[in-house]
Amino acid sequence: ILNVEQSPQSLHVQEGDSTNFTCSFPSSNFYALHWYRWETAKSPEALFVMTLNGDEKKKGRISATLNTKEGYSYLYIKGSQPEDSATYLCAPGNYGQNFVFGPGTRLSVLP
Amino acid sequence: GAGVSQSPRYKVTKRGQDVALRCDPISGHVSLYWYRQALGQGPEFLTYFNYEAQQDKSGLPNDRFSAERPEGSISTLTIQRTEQRDSAMYRCASSLGAGDRTGELFFGEGSRLTVL
Repeated sequence: ILNVEQSPQSLHVQEGDSTNFTCSFPSSNFYALHWYRWETAKSPEALFVMTLNGDEKKKGRISATLNTKEGYSYLYIKGSQPEDSATYLCAPGNYGQNFVFGPGTRLSVLP
Repeated sequence: GAGVSQSPRYKVTKRGQDVALRCDPISGHVSLYWYRQALGQGPEFLTYFNYEAQQDKSGLPNDRFSAERPEGSISTLTIQRTEQRDSAMYRCASSLGAGDRTGELFFGEGSRLTVL
């Protein structure tokens, strides 16, 4: 089973701040990495699916980059809003293995 | 259906009882996954199916846990002789492709199991 780490564990920012967090994973046999946004009492929702080294994906104020050689992905949120408060989960998958979710980064955006 | 549907949404049972949790994936989705999620934690992989074939059950904690998807659509996760440590949210997810890990997962709302 993949060892997936996310940092920081939790984060508090002020409305309007930009922020970023990290997902680290073993780089060998990498296949794809997913980012999900999870609000408590709801189900995780997909943000990005990334496959290629150097990939950069963007959705509104949220973007993500991928480095498969060194085994990390960054998620960036520009100009954080209170509605961005959620737990952000990454889930890498290797050949022959399934999605393994990291523990998540819990983001709180204070108005 | 329009989304992934799970039932029951809430289940309270006594230690030692068997429980069956049901997942109805999005119509046409080939892959179906079961995850367990403890409070405040990310989803923990249990097992997954392509069509009716169980591809990987390495995440099932022990032999009290089993899953089936006999017709390649609805899946049932069964926990026998439940223990208090089995209490968690059990989430089902489906994706379109057959093990294509570039396809995003669509999650159901989960079944919250409480074992007294």
